[in-house]
Amino acid sequence: EIVMTQSPVTLSVSPGERATLSCRASQSVDSNLAWYQQKPGLAPRLLIYDSSTRATGIPARFSGSGSGTEFTLTISSLQSEDFAVYFCQQNNHWPPAFGQGTKVEI
Amino acid sequence: EVQLLESGGGLVQPGGSLRLSCAASEFTFSSYAMSWVRQAPGKGLEWVSAISGSSSFTYYADSVKGRFTISRDNSKNTLYLQMNSLRAEDTAIYYCARPPQPAAIRAEYFPLWGQGTLVTVSS
Repeated sequence: EIVMTQSPVTLSVSPGERATLSCRASQSVDSNLAWYQQKPGLAPRLLIYDSSTRATGIPARFSGSGSGTEFTLTISSLQSEDFAVYFCQQNNHWPPAFGQGTKVEI
Repeated sequence: EVQLLESGGGLVQPGGSLRLSCAASEFTFSSYAMSWVRQAPGKGLEWVSAISGSSSFTYYADSVKGRFTISRDNSKNTLYLQMNSLRAEDTAIYYCARPPQPAAIRAEYFPLWGQGTLVTVSS
């Protein structure tokens, strides 16, 4: 099974700043990597799929990059509504696997 | 509106059983493979099980294999998860999730999630 490792565990940033989140796969997942945002009490929300494609309705300040084993989610200018937990997920190999999450906090 | 709505969670004693349901609406349910994903309190996401559109294929995480059974009733647009021999470590919010396209079952990402149902295993 593929293990997904996210870093950092917690990221402290100010509104308007840039946030960079990392996700590493234990073996290559090509570009089959998704990112989700989760706020307290809510289900995860798909942000990015295929490493860099924004899901429907996702603002352009969210961008994804990477392939193989190293991936990055960048939030170019943090808005108040972006403070949340972010998960990566590989969908290249069975079973689908999630990272443990990065909490973006003020 | 395209949506998924879980139900059936609750408090159950260790060793007990529970059946979760996920009602789908406003899409051709039978064409989609479906998954269950869970999240223990304050923890990350864990894929639990998946089933093909026709129920021909089912898959389970090692952590639940032999104890949980996924099924579906396409006439009722409903997905199920029968959970037996429950353990404290099964305590979690259980989400049903749908992949982006109707297709044969495969590892996928999930654009559509239900709101989740909480299962608590405790004496």
